[in-house]
Amino acid sequence: AQKITQTQPGMFVQEKEAVTLDCTYDTSDPSYGLFWYKQPSSGEMIFLIYQGSYDQQNATEGRYSLNFQKARKSANLVISASQLGDSAMYFCAMREGLSGGYNKLIFGAGTRLAVHP
Amino acid sequence: DTAVSQTPKYLVTQMGNDKSIKCEQNLGHDTMYWYKQDSKKFLKIMFSYNNKELIINETVPNRFSPKSPDKAHLNLHINSLELGDSAVYFCASSQGLLGNEKLFFGSGTQLSVL
Repeated sequence: AQKITQTQPGMFVQEKEAVTLDCTYDTSDPSYGLFWYKQPSSGEMIFLIYQGSYDQQNATEGRYSLNFQKARKSANLVISASQLGDSAMYFCAMREGLSGGYNKLIFGAGTRLAVHP
Repeated sequence: DTAVSQTPKYLVTQMGNDKSIKCEQNLGHDTMYWYKQDSKKFLKIMFSYNNKELIINETVPNRFSPKSPDKAHLNLHINSLELGDSAVYFCASSQGLLGNEKLFFGSGTQLSVL
């Protein structure tokens, strides 16, 4: 079974608008961490934001925020005020706790975001 | 200073050859990883080492052999390269194994097997 599902292969957004990239996950562990990474066309993987399963508040990092809905097992990334430089692949990832031993970061298939001027 | 550096960035080789990719991190991290990104951009873990000890070995052909001479280095040696090995290989590191620890990635090695 898929552990991390990103249902949007591609998304378009107008510059300066907000965009939400979807991510749902599947785990029976009570303890886990959720991450978002950005991969621009140059290929490197850039960490954006982290949300812990026990965190009470949604994580925010500058223009990035994570809409964490634990009961729905979703961890959507919200990018506010999109910029042209935000055009990239975005990966949602999960690190499981007890059963996974925290050893693995499991990635979704990614969403390609294109920001239009 | 690059935190996680891997070399080479590009590797083009013939089927059947043996090749190595080197990775070094200067972050003082205890844990290092190799990930493979296929042509559809899907990232999958291959190996993980914690304090030079192998802790993850996914179902990877035994033609792939990681070697960690010390905590700061994790190299990947591939024997008898096949067309299907063509991919981008990423090295990564994290401080340890706690759930909130993010991975720092190298810039990737694009391997093309002809």
